[in-house]
Amino acid sequence: DIMLTQSPDTLSLSPGERATLSCRASQSVTSSYLAWYQHKPGQAPRLLIYAASSRATGIPDRFSGSGSGTDFTLTITRLEPEDFAVYYCQQYGTSPPFTFGQGTKLEIK
Amino acid sequence: EVQLLESGGGLVQPGGSLRLSCAASGFTFSDYAMSWVRQAPGKGMEWVSGMSGDTKTIRYADSVKGRFTISRDNSKNTLFLQMNSLRAEDTAVYYCAKKGAYSSGWSMYFDYWGQGTMVTVSS
Repeated sequence: DIMLTQSPDTLSLSPGERATLSCRASQSVTSSYLAWYQHKPGQAPRLLIYAASSRATGIPDRFSGSGSGTDFTLTITRLEPEDFAVYYCQQYGTSPPFTFGQGTKLEIK
Repeated sequence: EVQLLESGGGLVQPGGSLRLSCAASGFTFSDYAMSWVRQAPGKGMEWVSGMSGDTKTIRYADSVKGRFTISRDNSKNTLFLQMNSLRAEDTAVYYCAKKGAYSSGWSMYFDYWGQGTMVTVSS
């Protein structure tokens, strides 16, 4: 199974700043089939990005994804108060099991 | 609007059973594969099982194979997860998730999730 490692575990930033979250795979992710999700306590996870760089429906353009192979990045420009949450990456380039990173907690500084 | 609503969670003793349900609305349920994903306390997400829209293809994570059974009733827009021989390590919030609209075959991300139902396995 492909293992995904996210860094950092916790990122402390202020509203208005730029956030850069990393997701590294143990082997190349087929066709850049990597997704990013935002998760707040008690809520349903929310799809942000699929296929490494495609924004999901209704996602603001301050969220962007990039990368290929084994290294992927989620960037959030100009953080809004509602952006503070836990972010997960998921690879889906191979048959199940689909695997997730351990998450990055984005907290208010 | 797509909605997924899980139910059926609760406290169960080790070795016991539980059946989770996920009621779906807002899309043509039978057109999409559905999955169960869980999150143990303080841990990350773990994909558990998935079933194709036509019910012909089923996949399980090794950690639940032989103990959990996924099924669906397309006439009632409902997904199920029958969990038997439960263990402490099955304690988690269980989410149902819809296959992403632009996913191909079994290479799937999830574009809608429910809010989850908590399963606690403890004596």
